[in-house]
Amino acid sequence: RKEVEQDPGPFNVPEGATVAFNCTYSNSASQSFFWYRQDCRKEPKLLMSVYSSGNEDGRFTAQLNRASQYISLLIRDSKLSDSATYLCVVNRGNFNKFYFGSGTKLNVKP
Amino acid sequence: DVKVTQSSRYLVKRTGEKVFLECVQDMDHENMFWYRQDPGLGLRLIYFSYDVKMKEKGDIPEGYSVSREKKERFSLILESASTNQTSMYLCASRNNYEQYFGPGTRLTVT
Repeated sequence: RKEVEQDPGPFNVPEGATVAFNCTYSNSASQSFFWYRQDCRKEPKLLMSVYSSGNEDGRFTAQLNRASQYISLLIRDSKLSDSATYLCVVNRGNFNKFYFGSGTKLNVKP
Repeated sequence: DVKVTQSSRYLVKRTGEKVFLECVQDMDHENMFWYRQDPGLGLRLIYFSYDVKMKEKGDIPEGYSVSREKKERFSLILESASTNQTSMYLCASRNNYEQYFGPGTRLTVT
């Protein structure tokens, strides 16, 4: 079983839409959680960390559900520039081993 | 601004050749990583290094070796390239929990 699973998408949404992605992780010992963004033919970059109480950064909201072992990312008021692949990343506390999901592709259309 | 550079964006090698992929970071980070990224599989850790001359195997080290002679430089070596090593190779360095990635090397082994 994969350590981290994501719906590959693509999610095709119009500008201004709200879209949510989920990600599940298999190891209950996982301690730290992140969302990375990867543009086409570019390297991944950290979008935001995910805290137990949930956290928001502008139009982006991340939630963690430890009981069900899933993480979510909500994007409000989607922009064309949000088009990218979003990678869910999990860590068990040793910051030298990160487990990446295969990513969810988002296409925001005019 | 953290910068991670990789020696080549694209590389084509023949089966059996020895291949060197170089990565340099300019932020004095102790921890550096090599991943490969394949469609549907996400990023998978090949090796990481937590100090000069120190290295540890990741999840898929077979067929690879690494070298870290200087803090800023982490090299990935394919001793005898095979077609199943055709992939995108991403180097990263880490500061606290955030990883900074290089632009990637797309390696094709024919």
